[in-house]
Formats: sequence, C-alpha cells, structure tokens
Amino acid sequence: AQSVTQLGSHVSVSEGALVLLRCNYSSSVPPYLFWYVQYPNQGLQLLLKYTSAATLVKGINGFEAEFKKSETSFHLTKPSAHMSDAAEYFCAVSVNAGNMLTFGGGTRLMVKP
Amino acid sequence: DAMVIQNPRYQVTQFGKPVTLSCSQTLNHNVMYWYQQKSSQAPKLLFHYYDKDFNNEADTPDNFQSRRPNTSFCFLDIRSPGLGDAAMYLCATSRRAGGATTDTQYFGPGTRLTVL
Repeated sequence: AQSVTQLGSHVSVSEGALVLLRCNYSSSVPPYLFWYVQYPNQGLQLLLKYTSAATLVKGINGFEAEFKKSETSFHLTKPSAHMSDAAEYFCAVSVNAGNMLTFGGGTRLMVKP
Repeated sequence: DAMVIQNPRYQVTQFGKPVTLSCSQTLNHNVMYWYQQKSSQAPKLLFHYYDKDFNNEADTPDNFQSRRPNTSFCFLDIRSPGLGDAAMYLCATSRRAGGATTDTQYFGPGTRLTVL
C-alpha cells in the first residue's frame, strides 16, 4: 500500500521568498506523484505530475517539483512567492492498480506581504 | 473548455432530509469519483464508477449512494444527512486506459453541504 506524508501543515513565507513544500511517499512499486492546489471553497487544481519521465517536473504558476527516489521525496518549490499562491497544497500518490489517489494531509501556504 | 461541473455549489439541507448532489463532465472520461472533504482535511474517496461498474470504498457509510445514468453524469445521494455529513463534496474524473497506466484526476469546484 502507498502513503504520503506532508511535513508541515502550515508554512508561512514572505512575498518574494522561496516556497518549499515537503512531500515524502511510500510505495512498493514505482509511483505516479501529483501536486494539487486548492483555493478556498474551490476544487483541486492540478499543479504538476510525475509519471516516470524527467525527474524535474515543471508545472503551472511557476511551480516545480523534483522526484528523488533515494529520498522517496517529491518536494514542491517556487523561487519567488506571490500573494496569490496562498492556498492549500496536496501531494498525492497513485500506483498502477487503477487511478486511485492517496493524498497527504495537506499544507496550508500563507504568504506575508 | 472541457470541464467537470458540480451543481449546486452550495447546498443547505435539514437533518434527515435526503439530498442529491450532481456532477457532469465534458471530458468523456470513463471514471468518475466522489470525495468527501471536511475542514482542513484531505479529500476522502467515497466511491467511484469505472464505466458502469460501481466501486464502493469499504468504510463509506450506507447512507451514501451514487448513480451514474450515463457517461457524462454522476449523482451523489445522501439518504438521511446527519450533522457529521456537512462537508465539501468533490467530484473528479479520469480516463483509465488498459494496462498498467494511470491518468490524472480532474476535479470539479465542489459542493459545500450544510446540514441544519
């Protein structure tokens, strides 16, 4: 069975600072990994996904994530935070047996002016 | 634009009064999912349809039912809502191809259910 751990339920950064949201996974088979963003009272929007191609994945809104098998990590980064990045971020893992997603607990990103 | 649509966006019901939430999609995806998301928590999968095949999660209460009359539509029925069922309900879709592949789930905007 697979699992996802997101370290830090709340992360606060200043506008213009680096954003780093941590995600570690556990999977017995090569995983597919996703980052979703959720704004208040909205559904989940896909930021990016890893599907065993390039280990550095670029997504929307300037976000990227690097798959590190040795560390079982898939951390999300953005060089410079913007106020509009304030939202909840979910890391999720899926394996080959259908498209079931296992979500991490989520990280709420706050951006200070 | 192809999308996942949920209606209504906000639903208020009374304790014990049946309620139906609606999801439609223009993506022509063969899999549709229903999630329950409570405040400050991750979405929790209730069930999904793969084409017409219904798959219930083991811990989904019997109070929750679903219908998928055609490829485009899927409904979530809550037969007797309790206060604990107040949550955001998210619909998602994906395209499942044959073999060992996985595809992305695309989410609708959600329906926020309030139970009075």
